Amino acid sequence: KAGVTQTPRYLIKTRGQQVTLSCSPISGHRSVSWYQQTPGQGLQFLFEYFSETQRNKGNFPGRFSGRQFSNSRSEMNVSTLELGDSALYLCASSFIAGNTNEQFFGPGTRLTVL
Amino acid sequence: SQKIEQNSEALNIQEGKTATLTCNYTNYSPAYLQWYRQDPGRGPVFLLLIRENEKEKRKERLKVTFDTTLKQSLFHITASQPADSATYLCALDERSQGNLIFGKGTKLSVKP
Repeated sequence: KAGVTQTPRYLIKTRGQQVTLSCSPISGHRSVSWYQQTPGQGLQFLFEYFSETQRNKGNFPGRFSGRQFSNSRSEMNVSTLELGDSALYLCASSFIAGNTNEQFFGPGTRLTVL
Repeated sequence: SQKIEQNSEALNIQEGKTATLTCNYTNYSPAYLQWYRQDPGRGPVFLLLIRENEKEKRKERLKVTFDTTLKQSLFHITASQPADSATYLCALDERSQGNLIFGKGTKLSVKP
C-alpha cells in the first residue's frame, strides 16, 4: 500500500503571496489532518477533515484554510504569507476520524517564506 | 495552563544501554498517549499507543508506561542501537479538543 504523499516537497514563496499544498492519504483512509512543525513550537495541529467536512480546527488565523475532496485527497491553503509561516507542513491520514487511530504521516512540504 | 513537556531536548547514550525518555503533561485528561519517531526530513512514524487504563505496553525493544496520577509517560528503548538515533515525540489526545497534542520531542543519539 502506498503511503501518504505530499506535493510539493519544497516551496519558496515571498511575503504576501498565497500557497496551496496537497496531500493524498493512504488508500481507504478517510481522515486527513494537517500540522505545522517549527523548531520553536514543535508540531501544532491545524485542522482535520473527514468525509469532506472539517471536523476540528486548531488555533491558527483564518489565513490558513483547507478542504477535502470526495476521493479523500486534501489541500491546504495559506493566504497572505508571513515570514513566520516558514515551516514543515505535515499531513497525516487515518482510517476513521478520532484520535484512537494511529496517524500515518507524509514526508511534509517544506515552505520557506522570504 | 495546559502543557505537554518532554523533559530533555537531547539525550546521548552508549550503544547497548537503555534509553529512557520522559513525557509530562499538565491540565490535560488524556484517554491515551502515543509515541512517534521522526527522522530528519521525514514525517513522524507511529510506534506505540497506551490507554489510560493500561500501565505498560511493550513492542519488541520498546516499552511505554503511563501513570495518570503522576501525569507522566516513560518511553524505554532497551539494548539501544545507533539506528535508534532519531527524535521521539509523545502525543496525547485531549477529550475536549478532539485532536492530538504533541510534545516538542527528544533527540536521541546512540553512540557506538
